[in-house]
Amino acid sequence: SQTIHQWPATLVQPVGSPLSLECTVEGTSNPNLYWYRQAAGRGLQLLFYSVGIGQISSEVPQNLSASRPQDRQFILSSKKLLLSDSGFYLCAWSGQVRLTFGSGTRLTVV
Amino acid sequence: RKEVEQDPGPFNVPEGATVAFNCTYSNSASQSFFWYRQDCRKEPKLLMSVYSSGNEDGRFTAQLNRASQYISLLIRDSKLSDSATYLCVEGGFKTIFGAGTRLFVKA
Repeated sequence: SQTIHQWPATLVQPVGSPLSLECTVEGTSNPNLYWYRQAAGRGLQLLFYSVGIGQISSEVPQNLSASRPQDRQFILSSKKLLLSDSGFYLCAWSGQVRLTFGSGTRLTVV
Repeated sequence: RKEVEQDPGPFNVPEGATVAFNCTYSNSASQSFFWYRQDCRKEPKLLMSVYSSGNEDGRFTAQLNRASQYISLLIRDSKLSDSATYLCVEGGFKTIFGAGTRLFVKA
């Protein structure tokens, strides 16, 4: 069966520090991979999606970037965090249509 | 332009009540829809798919009205454990989530 792992679960980072969140999927090949962000009390905002290694599409201009160095690995990064980057970051994968989410990373930028 | 819209609620209902949520979508070509459930500070999890013919899973019934471009979720005999946020989802390559409807079921 397919599983998705995301870490860390929580993170507190100072403004201006770098960020790296990692997500891996097991039990499937060539998944579509996604990064979403959910601000407190808000809906899910699609940040990036990827259909294959090295293929990244950005949905929202911001100081975040994503990379897919391996088929089942998706990384979200920032060189310098802003206060507004705080939120709940969710990685997800899909085969055909429906999404399955990782357990999320709660990021607080202070 | 919001593509999937939901009433944010909250809906406060007693145990045993029946509650219904609606959600509208703007892309008439969309083929797949889902309801996800999100508990506080957790990731969303798939509750059920939505088919044109309707879909029932125990106390939950989901329906799709293509003519009016809305989907619905009906929960019968509400339980305390049904308290959560329910997300309406337009499936596809770039899955689109509604902002969610909060449900509180009280004893």
